[in-house]
Amino acid sequence: QQQVKQSPQSLIVQKGGISIINCAYENTAFDYFPWYQQFPGKGPALLIAIRPDVSEKKEGRFTISFNKSAKQFSLHIMDSQPGDSATYFCAASMTGANNLFFGTGTRLTVIP
Amino acid sequence: NAGVMQNPRHLVRRRGQEARLRCSPMKGHSHVYWYRQLPEEGLKFMVYLQKENIIDESGMPKERFSAEFPKEGPSILRIQQVVRGDSAAYFCASSPPGDRYGYTFGSGTRLTVV
Repeated sequence: QQQVKQSPQSLIVQKGGISIINCAYENTAFDYFPWYQQFPGKGPALLIAIRPDVSEKKEGRFTISFNKSAKQFSLHIMDSQPGDSATYFCAASMTGANNLFFGTGTRLTVIP
Repeated sequence: NAGVMQNPRHLVRRRGQEARLRCSPMKGHSHVYWYRQLPEEGLKFMVYLQKENIIDESGMPKERFSAEFPKEGPSILRIQQVVRGDSAAYFCASSPPGDRYGYTFGSGTRLTVV
């Protein structure tokens, strides 16, 4: 059972465009929602994270939007660059849990 | 700070052999987590360890897999009698005590079973 559902599986965006990746969850006990960026041959690296007490968090070109009632959250990458081409994973965790539940990943390709 | 170090980066084993994957956490981190990533899938939690203790192994297959984090040295994920389905990338992460938000992943070990 996939605790966190992620879409799309792959995404192609023109340089300068906006990349949007969506995730949904069912478990209302989740209280921490990070996004990870993974380049080929590397481990995932924390990109940005949000807690459910805020609806949006922005760090540079990366923004998380969080909709608690819909149990959805999304990553927006503004002014997408070829260097952003990577696989992005959303994840979720809950207080007292020892692990993260990951989505299945989105392979982003930004074309020049 | 060298980050989370995993070795080997690539490991090829024949069916039935043993695979030993090593993970040295970041300096100051005493919590280690192992995840497995199958092709085209997200990471799946396997086990969480602190020094000399397995805290949560709810994601570990019941047979052939074991993990340890001794007082001295790296954490070891051991897979006995490997099968083709064990082929995957195995990632280790570490975090400081009491900071579950401080996850840092290593670059992983790619295991191929032939």
